[in-house]
Amino acid sequence: DAKTTQPNSMESNEEEPVHLPCNHSTISGTDYIHWYRQLPSQGPEYVIHGLTSNVNNRMASLAIAEDRKSSTLILHRATLRDAAVYYCILADTGANSKLTFGKGITLSVRP
Amino acid sequence: DTGVSQDPRHKITKRGQNVTFRCDPISEHNRLYWYRQTLGQGPEFLTYFQNEAQLEKSRLLSDRFSAERPKGSFSTLEIQRTEQGDSAMYLCASSPTLGREGSYEQYFGPGTRLTVT
Repeated sequence: DAKTTQPNSMESNEEEPVHLPCNHSTISGTDYIHWYRQLPSQGPEYVIHGLTSNVNNRMASLAIAEDRKSSTLILHRATLRDAAVYYCILADTGANSKLTFGKGITLSVRP
Repeated sequence: DTGVSQDPRHKITKRGQNVTFRCDPISEHNRLYWYRQTLGQGPEFLTYFQNEAQLEKSRLLSDRFSAERPKGSFSTLEIQRTEQGDSAMYLCASSPTLGREGSYEQYFGPGTRLTVT
């Protein structure tokens, strides 16, 4: 499975935008870029995914570099509830579609 | 639909005992996954079902572990002769069959926290 690299942690202020980076220089053409987050004492939660084009949903936006070797998850207005571990994952469209998690990036939000 | 549910939420057992966990996926989802998560780490894939067929097992799944999904609905994960190293959060996730090309977001349950003493 292709690997991703994320910073260990990031801090943000409440109500400000947050940009969470992810590097995936060995991404293959069939790898989708997925983001999940995990709040304390909960299971992971799907956030967003994309292949080549930027994607938006009610939770976040995903900006994908033109060469697809990096991407950025954008939370437009951080809230205290967004404090979590965010995982950037590459997943092929192959048969099993299992997710290979790294350590993720821990986002802290200051009030 | 209330999402993926897991039972029990917490289990404390003594080393050498057998334990069984249950996962109820979202009803129309035919894919079901088990993951294990230890403190400070991301979840690790254990096994995956497409309906009732177990299609892949990780090398992490030793012969003390067995998973079933009879009738393609709920699933159980059993650990025999538990060891202290089995202490972890066991997570279940489900997803629908591929709809939009490449779309297969997984929906996770709250997990079962196992402590082996």
